[in-house]
Amino acid sequence: DAGVIQSPRHEVTEMGQEVTLRCKPISGHNSLFWYRQTMMRGLELLIYFNNNVPIDDSGMPEDRFSAKMPNASFSTLKIQPSEPRDSAVYFCASSLGFPSNYGYTFGSGTRLTVV
Amino acid sequence: GDSVTQMEGPVTLSEEAFLTINCTYTATGYPSLFWYVQYPGEGLQLLLKATKADDKGSNKGFEATYRKETTSFHLEKGSVQVSDSAVYFCALSRDYKLSFGAGTTVTVRA
Repeated sequence: DAGVIQSPRHEVTEMGQEVTLRCKPISGHNSLFWYRQTMMRGLELLIYFNNNVPIDDSGMPEDRFSAKMPNASFSTLKIQPSEPRDSAVYFCASSLGFPSNYGYTFGSGTRLTVV
Repeated sequence: GDSVTQMEGPVTLSEEAFLTINCTYTATGYPSLFWYVQYPGEGLQLLLKATKADDKGSNKGFEATYRKETTSFHLEKGSVQVSDSAVYFCALSRDYKLSFGAGTTVTVRA
């Protein structure tokens, strides 16, 4: 099992540019989560998909952020336009059912720097 | 709402020392509780979990007991190694959502 795969590992972009982060969940997992990690705010849940459908996007900070899951094996998180305050590590995680039983499996993250 | 409070770090220990990281939670009902570990440059990994009161989770020499009466889930290890240097996160789950504590950075010196 390759685990949750995220790309790119590092992204440096200029303010105002569009950024797309990618995630491949573990095969068979039906829940997918995007988290953001910063020193100031810790780990924040941005959006939760179940069976490819967005269930809870209340954590998406602004309209500049959007996420899609076109199929069970792929999801994207897009920021357009990017701003320096978006600099953070973005994690994708997947699970089979609720984490109460199985926890989440996290990817290695994408470190985004907006200059 | 649900919340998790962890002891602040950083924590620096010598090899073979005893490690305790305190974690308390606020939640209605009986959430499941977790400890995750994050090694430098990596994502979070599930270390152990407990799903009901008095359950003890254990893994890799780490232990934590779900204490409903004190709403706590303290992490312990009897003899740490340099390879245990990492950030440790306490978390609770309700339905699909995991709520994390702020994390505690642990450094173990040889």
